[in-house]
Amino acid sequence: EAGVAQSPRYKIIEKRQSVAFWCNPISGHATLYWYQQILGQGPKLLIQFQNNGVVDDSQLPKDRFSAERLKGVDSTLKIQPAKLEDSAVYLCASSRGIGTDTQYFGPGTRLTVL
Amino acid sequence: AQSVTQLDSQVPVFEEAPVELRCNYSSSVSVYLFWYVQYPNQGLQLLLKYLSGSTLVKGINGFEAEFNKSQTSFHLRKPSVHISDTAEYFCAVSEINSNSGYALNFGKGTSLLVTP
Repeated sequence: EAGVAQSPRYKIIEKRQSVAFWCNPISGHATLYWYQQILGQGPKLLIQFQNNGVVDDSQLPKDRFSAERLKGVDSTLKIQPAKLEDSAVYLCASSRGIGTDTQYFGPGTRLTVL
Repeated sequence: AQSVTQLDSQVPVFEEAPVELRCNYSSSVSVYLFWYVQYPNQGLQLLLKYLSGSTLVKGINGFEAEFNKSQTSFHLRKPSVHISDTAEYFCAVSEINSNSGYALNFGKGTSLLVTP
């Protein structure tokens, strides 16, 4: 079974530029999560989808971050415009459902904002 | 609001020695508990999880953890570590019946460094 795929793996941009990350979850997984992991910290949830609906986006900085999950499969996370403090690893995870189902994580995208 | 505290940011240990990585949490409701491992340049991998039942949970790679409700702890242990166990370990909590959809709330991580 293929794991969670993410691209790109690395991205370097200058502040005020825009950037987009892509995630392809494990086949059949209805729930998809985006986490932000700043260096030296644990991952922090940005947004959670159940199929193509948003379950939780309370910690998403909506003035600059946006995410979508069209057709309930792939997802994209966008930052526009980026700030220096957005430098982090962006992790995508998926699970079959919610509650007791294990979340499986992708390798992440490391973003550096200069 | 829930919180997760990993009491040690770094734990150095010699190969074949036992290790314990500590995790405490606070929550006003019942929780599920998890330990994830992150090897360099890789995504997080589930080591083990506590959902209900026996408070001693066994996971992959010889790790185990014990849920202590009275002390709100979920410490991770391994009786004999290998060099390959060198990694970052994260404790995580999700609140049961939470309106937030059971998302994971992670601690800051503990870096385990195993040396010969």
